[in-house]
Amino acid sequence: DTGVSQNPRHKITKRGQNVTFRCDPISEHNRLYWYRQTLGQGPEFLTYFQNEAQLEKSRLLSDRFSAERPKGSFSTLEIQRTEQGDSAMYLCASSSNNRAANEKLFFGSGTQLSVL
Amino acid sequence: QKEVEQNSGPLSVPEGAIASLNCTYSDRGSQSFFWYRQYSGKSPELIMFIYSNGDKEDGRFTAQLNKASQYVSLLIRDSQPSDSATYLCAVNIQGGKLIFGQGTELSVKP
Repeated sequence: DTGVSQNPRHKITKRGQNVTFRCDPISEHNRLYWYRQTLGQGPEFLTYFQNEAQLEKSRLLSDRFSAERPKGSFSTLEIQRTEQGDSAMYLCASSSNNRAANEKLFFGSGTQLSVL
Repeated sequence: QKEVEQNSGPLSVPEGAIASLNCTYSDRGSQSFFWYRQYSGKSPELIMFIYSNGDKEDGRFTAQLNKASQYVSLLIRDSQPSDSATYLCAVNIQGGKLIFGQGTELSVKP
């Protein structure tokens, strides 16, 4: 168990560019979540997957954001045409298959995005 | 009304004192409640969870839940400077996702 892994740790991009982040969950976990966090705020839910199925996407999430988990293992989060307001820490979390434990989220170290 | 509300703080307590952190939530159907600790520049770390009304103790931490009042709290006994962090309350809503409060910053002064 190596924990949740996120890459890259930091990303600096210019406004209008596309960016993609990757998350590798804990190997036996079937749920994977994406959150966004800005300074002084709690994590904001973006979307989550159970295996390869995307079960929910935040209504506040722009169409510029898309997430995939093609084989039920790693996931990618893509932001198209980035805006300065997209600057934030993007956190990935995973949770266990066990029904009693599937609400306990374990977070990766996050990807810090800065849009110039 | 936000789904999960916390006082942002900062809450300052002297070393050795009890720190009390509070959280309210809006969805009466919520069944699961969590406390995460987040050090500056780090990701959230799960420290406590509670599902039933009453108290749950784990070491120096006690989580308290009152579903009738839609209130959950975290007590930290014998606070240490290493407890200085932001504490995030999270509530499972509609069975699928955790919704977080904005967090309470705790500072424990030596």
